Amino acid sequence: DAGVTQSPTHLIKTRGQQVTLRCSPISGHKSVSWYQQVLGQGPQFIFQYYEKEERGRGNFPDRFSARQFPNYSSELNVNALLLGDSALYLCASSSTGTGGMYEQYFGPGTRLTVT
Amino acid sequence: TQLLEQSPQFLSIQEGENLTVYCNSSSVFSSLQWYRQEPGEGPVLLVTVVTGGEVKKLKRLTFQFGDARKDSSLHITAAQPGDTGLYLCAGPNSGTYKYIFGTGTRLKVLA
Repeated sequence: DAGVTQSPTHLIKTRGQQVTLRCSPISGHKSVSWYQQVLGQGPQFIFQYYEKEERGRGNFPDRFSARQFPNYSSELNVNALLLGDSALYLCASSSTGTGGMYEQYFGPGTRLTVT
Repeated sequence: TQLLEQSPQFLSIQEGENLTVYCNSSSVFSSLQWYRQEPGEGPVLLVTVVTGGEVKKLKRLTFQFGDARKDSSLHITAAQPGDTGLYLCAGPNSGTYKYIFGTGTRLKVLA
């Protein structure tokens, strides 16, 4: 079975531009979460979606938004890019959306560079 | 928001040595996960611990969840170069749908 897939693999954007990152979860998984990982640090939680509804949001500005589609794939959008948005963006899928015990499986990430 | 602090931050050891990585919080977690991440890739789930005092083994890796479910440890026996990577603990923030990662331990095993 295919794991979590993300596209694109790498992306270079200019300050002020907008970017859309895409994620397809493991088949059968209904929950998708997005993380930002700056070099040398652990991933920071951005969003969790379950059954197309936002279930959780981290401490990120409104420039960050996301949505989940009926097939459970997801998009992360970032507007008005700043240099500080340069990071590895990770998508994770899990079989349940509960806040308790659940295991997440990560995709390979999208490396975003803002110049 | 609950925090997870890992120690040490960096560790460089010779092949064959043993090591322990710690993950600590002042808050109770319903479960903790351990991941290993290699450069340019996503974290790979190693184990989930749920019960206080639980011990799980994965080949040369031994994971323990503290009795009070506020801390966890990862012990590697006879480390090999293939164990090199960033080790992360993580868990669900109580009462929310947020998921928290620890600060990470970067391990390098020298041949």
